[in-house]
Amino acid sequence: EAAVTQSPRNKVTVTGGNVTLSCRQTNSHNYMYWYRQDTGHGLRLIHYSYGAGNLQIGDVPDGYKATRTTQEDFFLLLELASPSQTSLYFCASSDLDRSSYEQYFGPGTRLTVL
Amino acid sequence: QQQVRQSPQSLTVWEGETAILNCSYEDSTFDYFPWYRLFPGESPALLIAIRPVSNKKEDGRFTIFFNKREKKLSLHITDSQPGDSATYFCAASAGFASALTFGSGTKVIVLP
Repeated sequence: EAAVTQSPRNKVTVTGGNVTLSCRQTNSHNYMYWYRQDTGHGLRLIHYSYGAGNLQIGDVPDGYKATRTTQEDFFLLLELASPSQTSLYFCASSDLDRSSYEQYFGPGTRLTVL
Repeated sequence: QQQVRQSPQSLTVWEGETAILNCSYEDSTFDYFPWYRLFPGESPALLIAIRPVSNKKEDGRFTIFFNKREKKLSLHITDSQPGDSATYFCAASAGFASALTFGSGTKVIVLP
């Protein structure tokens, strides 16, 4: 079973603050994803990547940057946080090269922007 | 434009009843439809999935019914249990290397 970890688990910042959310997966998956989950909107894809150095834009990318430094590590950056970015953020990974579409999710990071 | 729509937003059933969750989609190129389940305080996890070559997929008490012509699918939870109380997300993707598009979710409450 895939292991996906996220840090921090909770974060409070102020408007205009700089936040980095971290995600690590240890099962050598190629694909990694960042989602935000909000009531009434489900899971919305922010950015994803299919390998180190690669970045693909998701459905709600505005205000977010992401970087995939290694196969294991995927970071989400909020350089000027706004209250609208208060949300629960999930990271996920999958290995589509093995004909498996299943995404494995991390425990989530709850971000509050005051 | 929401490409994957779910209804109802919330659903309450009694223990033992069948819960029916609905999903529809816009993009005719979608060819993979998983359902993910999210318990409060936990991570979403794959529950069951179907591809358009089939119109039905069963896994225990969970069954997906798929209608390609109408671009609709539904998840049936038979003999619902209080432990099934969770939020269920329908999702879809097009092609082998495409990301998933999730619906807004259906919150299911099963009363004992």
